[in-house]
Amino acid sequence: SAVISQKPSRDICQRGTSLTIQCQVDSQVTMMFWYRQQPGQSLTLIATANQGSEATYESGFVIDKFPISRPNLTFSTLTVSNMSPEDSSIYLCSVEIGQGEGKLFFGSGTQLSVL
Amino acid sequence: GQSLEQPSEVTAVEGAIVQINCTYQTSGFYGLSWYQQHDGGAPTFLSYNGLDGLEETGRFSSFLSRSDSYGYLLLQELQMKDSASYFCAVRVTGGFKTIFGAGTRLFVKA
Repeated sequence: SAVISQKPSRDICQRGTSLTIQCQVDSQVTMMFWYRQQPGQSLTLIATANQGSEATYESGFVIDKFPISRPNLTFSTLTVSNMSPEDSSIYLCSVEIGQGEGKLFFGSGTQLSVL
Repeated sequence: GQSLEQPSEVTAVEGAIVQINCTYQTSGFYGLSWYQQHDGGAPTFLSYNGLDGLEETGRFSSFLSRSDSYGYLLLQELQMKDSASYFCAVRVTGGFKTIFGAGTRLFVKA
C-alpha cells in the first residue's frame, strides 16, 4: 500500500490567481497521476507525471493551465493557473502500486473553490 | 475513444446481494478494476481483474470477460456502510493510465 499526503485539503481562491497542490508519497513510485472530480461525477485524468520527464497531458488539459512538477520519485505538484470558477473541483493525486496490478492509491483530495 | 458504462444508481436492502455491471470500449486494455468512494472521501481500491474469471476478496467479488468487454462487481451480505459510489476503471495500455466510469451510486436500505 501507499500513504499519500496531499495539501491543501481545501482552498477558496480568487479568479485570476494560481494554486499549487502538493502530493507526497511515503515510498518511491514511478508514475503519479492527477485527476479532477466534480461532486457526484467521475474522475477525469488530467495528466501523468513521471520523474525525469515532462508530464503527459490528456485531451483538454494543457501545460500552461496545469503545470506539473515531479522533482523526485516521492513528490509532485499540480498548479492550477489563472483560475476561473470553472476550475472549481476536487483535485486528486494518485499512484499505482505493484507491477501492473491496476491498483491506484489516492490522496485525500484538494477541494478548490474559485470565486 | 474510451467509454465505460455502468448503471447510475442501484438500491438494495441490507443482507442482500447486488451486482454492478460495467461494459467498456477502450483503445487498448490491460485490466479492469473497481473502486469505492464514500461521500467526501477519496476512492479506495477494491479489486482488479487482468484475466478472465472471478476474483474474490471477502464479501466483494469481481468478474471479467475480455471477449465481451464486460465485468461486474458483486457485493454480498450488504451492510449499511456499503452505501457509496462504485467506479469501474480500465487500465489502458497506452501510457498505462486508468480511465474511470461514471460511477454507480449504491443505496443500502434497512
